[in-house]
Amino acid sequence: DGGITQSPKYLFRKEGQNVTLSCEQNLNHDAMYWYRQDPGQGLRLIYYSQIVNDFQKGDIAEGYSVSREKKESFPLTVTSAQKNPTAFYLCASRARPTEGYEQYFGPGTRLTVT
Amino acid sequence: AQTVTQSQPEMSVQEAETVTLSCTYDTSESDYYLFWYKQPPSRQMILVIRQEAYKQQNATENRFSVNFQKAAKSFSLKISDSQLGDAAMYFCAYKYGGSQGNLIFGKGTKLSVKP
Repeated sequence: DGGITQSPKYLFRKEGQNVTLSCEQNLNHDAMYWYRQDPGQGLRLIYYSQIVNDFQKGDIAEGYSVSREKKESFPLTVTSAQKNPTAFYLCASRARPTEGYEQYFGPGTRLTVT
Repeated sequence: AQTVTQSQPEMSVQEAETVTLSCTYDTSESDYYLFWYKQPPSRQMILVIRQEAYKQQNATENRFSVNFQKAAKSFSLKISDSQLGDAAMYFCAYKYGGSQGNLIFGKGTKLSVKP
């Protein structure tokens, strides 16, 4: 079955540590996205990538970094510079324009930093 | 810049009844897409329905339909014959950025379904 996987589902880290969230897709989509979800805030765009080896900052990129070395993978690193990293993180990939631009989401990772 | 507003933080509906969730947006573009996504307690985001702005006909998917008013920049979601499984957060989203296909989301409406 095609889809998006994120691991782990729950992640706990100490303040000051970097942590990397995994996102893998087998939908053969070129574009991938990372969102952050906080209560009452909806989804906010962190980073996106339209193609391998290229990515752009979204609205709240400070304190985060990404890489896109393979089409299937788009890992997100939450650095110690992120002031409030505890949140729910969603990864998505996007269908082609001819397929209606739908974004397909992974199950998410809940990150707790103490 | 585009904005998406969902003015109802919470809504409630009786099972088998009909409910309408509101969404307004602001844009200067003439061609765009609008989406409704559902996020149940599992937190898995699921596409409910999609509307292309150039299409005059309102989109329909089974019990879900939209009322798309382009001039008013309004995009409401109607759920007919509500079921317990419809209880979820519902997010309205607008596609911007041309072929990049980025989405901007509203803050969501939490729908409760009473048996």
